[in-house]
Amino acid sequence: DTGVSQDPRHKITKRGQNVTFRCDPISEHNRLYWYRQTLGQGPEFLTYFQNEAQLEKSRLLSDRFSAERPKGSFSTLEIQRTEQGDSAMYLCASSADSNSPLHFGNGTRLTVT
Amino acid sequence: GQQVMQIPQYQHVQEGEDFTTYCNSSTTLSNIQWYKQRPGGHPVFLIQLVKSGEVKKQKRLTFQFGEAKKNSSLHITATQTTDVGTYFCAGKAGTALIFGKGTTLSVSS
Repeated sequence: DTGVSQDPRHKITKRGQNVTFRCDPISEHNRLYWYRQTLGQGPEFLTYFQNEAQLEKSRLLSDRFSAERPKGSFSTLEIQRTEQGDSAMYLCASSADSNSPLHFGNGTRLTVT
Repeated sequence: GQQVMQIPQYQHVQEGEDFTTYCNSSTTLSNIQWYKQRPGGHPVFLIQLVKSGEVKKQKRLTFQFGEAKKNSSLHITATQTTDVGTYFCAGKAGTALIFGKGTTLSVSS
């Protein structure tokens, strides 16, 4: 079990720049999730995919955020025109199916200066 | 929208004391999951409860799912320093898994 891997581990960017994160799920998992976590809070749901289809997006998700999973394997999360409020840990998770537990990666910590 | 609330937010205990965290949902859940996050780490799955009134045990940890499937609890008997971390419940009413804010447990020896 190679686990869920995320890249990069840390990203520092200036306000207004675009950033892109990558997530490689556990290979046989067809569900992939993106969450955001700030200090003292639980993971906040952003979006999820079943294979290559994006099935749900949080209503709180700004249109500056976009996610893709083009071949049903790895996924990317892009944030355009970053703001200081985007600073957070971005967590990716995968699961085998809708009723299976989530396996989280180590996250990408974004700091917007 | 669906909300999952946890209390208390923080709990400090002496090693050997018991600990309980409570989770409440604004909607009926199809299942509830519990995760543990160590400081500096990522959430790690502990258990899933599906049936109304279900009780599951893992060594010193006891998990309960309420009869109405809107609340849950995690009880740790005789805490150890290895129990330190933040415990999250996560509920599913539709498709997305919604996490509570967690209860952070600290244990002094």
